[in-house]
Amino acid sequence: GAGVSQSPSNKVTEKGKDVELRCDPISGHTALYWYRQSLGQGLEFLIYFQGNSAPDKSGLPSDRFSAERTGGSVSTLTIQRTQQEDSAVYLCASSLSVDRGYEQYFGPGTRLTVT
Amino acid sequence: AQSVTQLDSHVSVSEGTPVLLRCNYSSSYSPSLFWYVQHPNKGLQLLLKYTSAATLVKGINGFEAEFKKSETSFHLTKPSAHMSDAAEYFCVVSDLLGRLYFGRGTQLTVWP
Repeated sequence: GAGVSQSPSNKVTEKGKDVELRCDPISGHTALYWYRQSLGQGLEFLIYFQGNSAPDKSGLPSDRFSAERTGGSVSTLTIQRTQQEDSAVYLCASSLSVDRGYEQYFGPGTRLTVT
Repeated sequence: AQSVTQLDSHVSVSEGTPVLLRCNYSSSYSPSLFWYVQHPNKGLQLLLKYTSAATLVKGINGFEAEFKKSETSFHLTKPSAHMSDAAEYFCVVSDLLGRLYFGRGTQLTVWP
């Protein structure tokens, strides 16, 4: 079956611009996570959604970052007024549930470069 | 708080020799632990997971890991390395809400 998909695969933007990154989770997965992979910080949790509950935003690095999930499916991560330190690979993962025993399936990522 | 420490940033082995990637964890409660692999320009793939069942966990591609509570370790092993095993490996601990905390990764190089 189809896995987690992300778009675009690569995004180059100028400092100060806003960007939107999209994630399509596996159908039927109620939990959706965003992570960031950067050279300096490694892989770090950003935000997760579970069903219709309020998202856990505890990992977002600043208020320039936000995310939404429409209809319990597709999610969009938005970065406003991008900075060079935002350059990273943004990974999305989905799982059947939030419970820690469930495997998270990762998408291929979006490589963001801020110039 | 949950965290993992991968003790080696790079490991090099010859094809056909054993692989050992070391990981120590810290957790406030009984942990769920994972090993993920990332091949160049590919997504993260789950190799195996420990969730408080058998302490010796078998994964895909001949990998296995042993959970040792007394040593707070979860080392990844494979008896015989293959060229296709060359990749970056991440030891991961999950909190109760499923948020994953990644180690810094171990780059495995396999020489012919």
